[in-house]
Amino acid sequence: QQQVKQSPQSLIVQKGGISIINCAYENTAFDYFPWYQQFPGKGPALLIAIRPDVSEKKEGRFTISFNKSAKQFSLHIMDSQPGDSATYFCAAESTGDYKLSFGAGTTVTVRA
Amino acid sequence: GAVVSQHPSWVICKSGTSVKIECRSLDFQATTMFWYRQFPKQSLMLMATSNEGSKATYEQGVEKDKFLINHASLTLSTLTVTSAHPEDSSFYICSARRTGGFTEAFFGQGTRLTVV
Repeated sequence: QQQVKQSPQSLIVQKGGISIINCAYENTAFDYFPWYQQFPGKGPALLIAIRPDVSEKKEGRFTISFNKSAKQFSLHIMDSQPGDSATYFCAAESTGDYKLSFGAGTTVTVRA
Repeated sequence: GAVVSQHPSWVICKSGTSVKIECRSLDFQATTMFWYRQFPKQSLMLMATSNEGSKATYEQGVEKDKFLINHASLTLSTLTVTSAHPEDSSFYICSARRTGGFTEAFFGQGTRLTVV
Protein backbone atom coordinates (compact mmCIF):
# COMPACT_ATOMS: atom_id res chain seq x y z
CA GLN A 1 0.00 0.00 0.00
CA GLN A 2 1.57 3.20 -1.21
CA GLN A 3 1.43 5.89 1.45
CA VAL A 4 2.24 8.62 -1.05
CA LYS A 5 0.29 8.82 -4.29
CA GLN A 6 2.07 10.47 -7.22
CA SER A 7 0.80 11.63 -10.60
CA PRO A 8 1.17 11.69 -13.51
CA GLN A 9 3.08 8.52 -14.29
CA SER A 10 4.84 10.26 -17.14
CA LEU A 11 4.84 13.57 -18.92
CA ILE A 12 6.39 15.16 -21.94
CA VAL A 13 7.22 18.84 -22.00
CA GLN A 14 8.86 21.10 -24.53
CA LYS A 15 12.14 22.76 -23.73
CA GLY A 16 11.46 25.92 -21.79
CA GLY A 17 8.09 24.67 -20.56
CA ILE A 18 6.89 23.90 -17.04
CA SER A 19 6.72 20.38 -15.63
CA ILE A 20 4.29 19.82 -12.76
CA ILE A 21 4.18 16.67 -10.65
CA ASN A 22 1.66 16.15 -7.88
CA CYS A 23 1.71 14.06 -4.72
CA ALA A 24 -0.81 13.36 -1.99
CA TYR A 25 -0.52 11.66 1.37
CA GLU A 26 -2.78 10.51 4.18
CA ASN A 27 -0.48 10.09 7.16
CA THR A 28 -0.64 13.33 9.14
CA ALA A 29 2.50 12.31 11.02
CA PHE A 30 4.57 13.02 7.91
CA ASP A 31 6.56 16.20 8.40
CA TYR A 32 9.33 16.06 5.83
CA PHE A 33 8.69 15.97 2.09
CA PRO A 34 11.67 15.58 -0.24
CA TRP A 35 11.79 15.22 -3.99
CA TYR A 36 14.36 13.02 -5.65
CA GLN A 37 15.68 12.92 -9.20
CA GLN A 38 16.86 9.62 -10.62
CA PHE A 39 18.63 8.95 -13.89
CA PRO A 40 18.64 5.45 -15.42
CA GLY A 41 21.02 3.10 -13.64
CA LYS A 42 21.77 5.59 -10.87
CA GLY A 43 20.63 6.09 -7.32
CA PRO A 44 18.22 8.91 -6.51
CA ALA A 45 19.57 12.32 -5.61
CA LEU A 46 17.85 14.88 -3.42
CA LEU A 47 16.48 17.76 -5.45
CA ILE A 48 14.58 19.87 -2.96
CA ALA A 49 12.66 19.29 0.28
CA ILE A 50 10.06 21.07 2.37
CA ARG A 51 8.55 20.92 5.84
CA PRO A 52 4.87 21.66 6.56
CA ASP A 53 5.55 25.01 8.22
CA VAL A 54 6.02 26.68 4.81
CA SER A 55 3.74 26.63 1.79
CA GLU A 56 6.37 27.08 -0.86
CA LYS A 57 10.08 26.60 -1.34
CA LYS A 58 12.09 27.57 -4.38
CA GLU A 59 15.58 26.53 -5.37
CA GLY A 60 16.65 27.70 -8.79
CA ARG A 61 14.22 26.34 -11.36
CA PHE A 62 12.62 23.93 -8.89
CA THR A 63 9.70 24.89 -6.64
CA ILE A 64 7.73 22.86 -4.13
CA SER A 65 4.20 23.96 -3.31
CA PHE A 66 2.73 22.50 -0.14
CA ASN A 67 -0.91 22.44 0.94
CA LYS A 68 -1.11 21.07 4.46
CA SER A 69 -4.89 21.10 4.74
CA ALA A 70 -5.28 19.18 1.50
CA LYS A 71 -2.32 16.93 2.29
CA GLN A 72 -0.87 17.58 -1.12
CA PHE A 73 2.41 18.84 -2.45
CA SER A 74 3.78 19.39 -5.90
CA LEU A 75 7.00 19.96 -7.78
CA HIS A 76 7.25 22.59 -10.49
CA ILE A 77 10.19 22.54 -12.85
CA MET A 78 10.43 25.88 -14.61
CA ASP A 79 12.18 26.43 -17.93
CA SER A 80 12.54 22.66 -18.39
CA GLN A 81 15.74 21.55 -20.11
CA PRO A 82 16.62 18.28 -21.88
CA GLY A 83 19.00 17.52 -19.00
CA ASP A 84 15.98 17.46 -16.69
CA SER A 85 14.74 14.31 -18.42
CA ALA A 86 14.68 11.81 -15.57
CA THR A 87 12.36 10.06 -13.15
CA TYR A 88 11.19 12.13 -10.22
CA PHE A 89 10.01 10.67 -6.93
CA CYS A 90 8.21 12.46 -4.16
CA ALA A 91 8.62 11.06 -0.68
CA ALA A 92 7.44 11.63 2.86
CA GLU A 93 8.77 10.87 6.29
CA SER A 94 7.88 11.44 9.93
CA THR A 95 10.43 12.79 12.39
CA GLY A 96 12.33 10.14 14.25
CA ASP A 97 11.17 7.37 11.97
CA TYR A 98 13.65 8.18 9.21
CA LYS A 99 11.83 5.85 6.84
CA LEU A 100 11.04 7.42 3.53
CA SER A 101 7.79 6.47 1.81
CA PHE A 102 8.19 7.01 -1.92
CA GLY A 103 5.64 7.86 -4.56
CA ALA A 104 5.42 5.71 -7.68
CA GLY A 105 7.57 8.07 -9.73
CA THR A 106 7.06 10.32 -12.74
CA THR A 107 9.14 9.99 -15.86
CA VAL A 108 9.73 13.42 -17.36
CA THR A 109 10.84 13.78 -20.95
CA VAL A 110 11.90 17.22 -22.13
CA ARG A 111 11.88 17.60 -25.90
CA ALA A 112 14.37 20.00 -27.44
CA GLY B 1 27.20 16.87 -0.39
CA ALA B 2 28.02 13.70 1.47
CA VAL B 3 29.00 10.63 -0.54
CA VAL B 4 27.63 7.13 -0.25
CA SER B 5 29.38 4.51 -2.31
CA GLN B 6 28.09 1.09 -3.27
CA HIS B 7 30.15 -1.79 -4.53
CA PRO B 8 29.86 -3.45 -6.91
CA SER B 9 27.86 -1.33 -9.36
CA TRP B 10 26.71 -4.45 -11.13
CA VAL B 11 27.07 -8.15 -10.59
CA ILE B 12 26.01 -11.30 -12.39
CA CYS B 13 25.83 -14.49 -10.40
CA LYS B 14 24.65 -18.03 -10.89
CA SER B 15 21.45 -19.23 -9.34
CA GLY B 16 22.06 -20.72 -5.89
CA THR B 17 25.12 -18.64 -5.08
CA SER B 18 25.39 -15.72 -2.63
CA VAL B 19 26.26 -12.15 -3.43
CA LYS B 20 27.47 -9.43 -1.08
CA ILE B 21 26.84 -5.74 -1.72
CA GLU B 22 28.71 -3.08 0.24
CA CYS B 23 27.46 0.37 1.17
CA ARG B 24 29.95 2.89 2.53
CA SER B 25 29.53 6.42 3.75
CA LEU B 26 32.78 7.97 2.58
CA ASP B 27 32.92 11.26 4.45
CA PHE B 28 30.52 10.93 7.36
CA GLN B 29 29.43 8.51 10.02
CA ALA B 30 26.08 6.83 9.63
CA THR B 31 24.41 5.12 12.56
CA THR B 32 21.54 4.10 10.33
CA MET B 33 21.56 2.90 6.75
CA PHE B 34 18.67 1.72 4.64
CA TRP B 35 18.44 -0.87 1.90
CA TYR B 36 15.98 -0.53 -0.96
CA ARG B 37 15.02 -2.64 -3.90
CA GLN B 38 13.84 -1.21 -7.17
CA PHE B 39 12.38 -3.15 -10.08
CA PRO B 40 12.42 -1.65 -13.59
CA LYS B 41 10.16 1.37 -13.93
CA GLN B 42 9.02 1.04 -10.34
CA SER B 43 9.53 2.94 -7.14
CA LEU B 44 11.98 2.22 -4.35
CA MET B 45 10.75 -0.29 -1.82
CA LEU B 46 12.37 -0.27 1.60
CA MET B 47 13.72 -3.68 2.49
CA ALA B 48 15.37 -3.08 5.84
CA THR B 49 16.88 -0.60 8.24
CA SER B 50 20.45 -1.29 9.21
CA ASN B 51 21.65 -0.06 12.60
CA GLU B 52 25.30 -0.04 13.57
CA GLY B 53 26.03 -2.63 16.21
CA SER B 54 22.57 -4.16 16.29
CA LYS B 55 20.29 -6.37 14.25
CA ALA B 56 18.65 -5.00 11.16
CA THR B 57 14.94 -4.30 11.10
CA TYR B 58 13.21 -5.84 8.10
CA GLU B 59 10.06 -4.63 6.42
CA GLN B 60 7.07 -6.89 6.21
CA GLY B 61 7.44 -9.53 3.54
CA VAL B 62 11.24 -9.34 3.32
CA GLU B 63 12.95 -12.63 4.14
CA LYS B 64 15.55 -12.09 6.83
CA ASP B 65 17.40 -15.30 6.06
CA LYS B 66 17.62 -14.49 2.40
CA PHE B 67 18.75 -10.89 2.70
CA LEU B 68 21.40 -10.77 5.40
CA ILE B 69 22.37 -7.31 6.58
CA ASN B 70 25.41 -6.46 8.64
CA HIS B 71 26.28 -2.96 9.86
CA ALA B 72 29.70 -3.56 11.33
CA SER B 73 30.88 0.02 11.57
CA LEU B 74 29.61 3.58 11.34
CA THR B 75 30.64 3.73 7.69
CA LEU B 76 29.84 0.28 6.32
CA SER B 77 26.73 -1.81 5.86
CA THR B 78 26.55 -4.95 3.76
CA LEU B 79 23.65 -6.77 2.14
CA THR B 80 24.15 -10.41 1.28
CA VAL B 81 21.65 -12.06 -1.02
CA THR B 82 21.86 -15.73 -0.12
CA SER B 83 21.00 -18.58 -2.47
CA ALA B 84 20.09 -16.09 -5.16
CA HIS B 85 17.44 -16.92 -7.73
CA PRO B 86 16.44 -15.14 -10.95
CA GLU B 87 13.53 -13.44 -9.16
CA ASP B 88 16.09 -11.70 -6.91
CA SER B 89 17.43 -9.86 -9.95
CA SER B 90 16.86 -6.20 -9.23
CA PHE B 91 18.47 -2.84 -8.55
CA TYR B 92 19.55 -2.59 -4.91
CA ILE B 93 20.15 0.85 -3.42
CA CYS B 94 21.38 1.90 -0.01
CA SER B 95 21.04 5.22 1.74
CA ALA B 96 22.62 6.71 4.83
CA ARG B 97 22.08 9.60 7.17
CA ARG B 98 24.65 11.42 9.22
CA THR B 99 24.73 10.40 12.85
CA GLY B 100 22.92 12.97 14.94
CA GLY B 101 19.48 12.92 13.39
CA PHE B 102 20.21 14.94 10.25
CA THR B 103 17.29 14.78 7.88
CA GLU B 104 18.85 14.43 4.44
CA ALA B 105 19.36 10.88 3.23
CA PHE B 106 22.23 10.29 0.83
CA PHE B 107 21.85 7.48 -1.66
CA GLY B 108 24.40 5.19 -3.19
CA GLN B 109 24.62 4.75 -6.93
CA GLY B 110 22.90 1.39 -6.76
CA THR B 111 23.89 -2.19 -7.57
CA ARG B 112 22.38 -4.03 -10.51
CA LEU B 113 22.09 -7.72 -9.60
CA THR B 114 21.39 -10.24 -12.33
CA VAL B 115 20.94 -13.87 -11.35
CA VAL B 116 21.26 -16.35 -14.20
